Amino acid sequence: AQSVSQHNHHVILSEAASLELGCNYSYGGTVNLFWYVQYPGQHLQLLLKYFSGDPLVKGIKGFEAEFIKSKFSFNLRKPSVQWSDTAEYFCAVDHSGGGADGLTFGKGTHLIIQP
Amino acid sequence: DVKVTQSSRYLVKRTGEKVFLECVQDMDHENMFWYRQDPGLGLRLIYFSYDVKMKEKGDIPEGYSVSREKKERFSLILESASTNQTSMYLCASSSGTSQTNEKLFFGSGTQLSVL
Repeated sequence: AQSVSQHNHHVILSEAASLELGCNYSYGGTVNLFWYVQYPGQHLQLLLKYFSGDPLVKGIKGFEAEFIKSKFSFNLRKPSVQWSDTAEYFCAVDHSGGGADGLTFGKGTHLIIQP
Repeated sequence: DVKVTQSSRYLVKRTGEKVFLECVQDMDHENMFWYRQDPGLGLRLIYFSYDVKMKEKGDIPEGYSVSREKKERFSLILESASTNQTSMYLCASSSGTSQTNEKLFFGSGTQLSVL
């Protein structure tokens, strides 16, 4: 079965530190990849997505992610984090290739940015 | 602004009660989903629907059923609530026209406590 692994459940960083959150998936076929963010008390929002083309995708708020097909990875990065980036981050994969099967989510990474 | 509305933000029910969680979207989306979100487990798909009166089981359908009588409304039903169904329930929708889950729009969630 399709699975998504997020390497870190909790990450604590200081402001201005660089961020990389790992995400690996298990499906070998064509996939669409997503990162969602959930700020405290708010609903899930799309941060960025990869469908095809340039494997380095840019999202909102300075986030980017790189799709490395050979490693089945889609790691999220940000060069310099801010206190407002404190949130829970979810990697998700869609392998339905045109169906409406829903996304498979990772277990989430809780990111805390200390001022 | 697009919107997915879940009828209750917090709900407390007793074991054995029948529980209805309602979700309405105003984007004319074909696809609708119910997830539950638990700490350390991420989001898990319960049921989804790609058309009116159509429903498909997700990864954890046991103990749940759904109803989609109208395109904009997708209801999750707990026939006999149990304590292990205490969770945050998230409704989401997406357009079916692009043939991918290009973007899931999430509701704010319903925190259900079963006593």
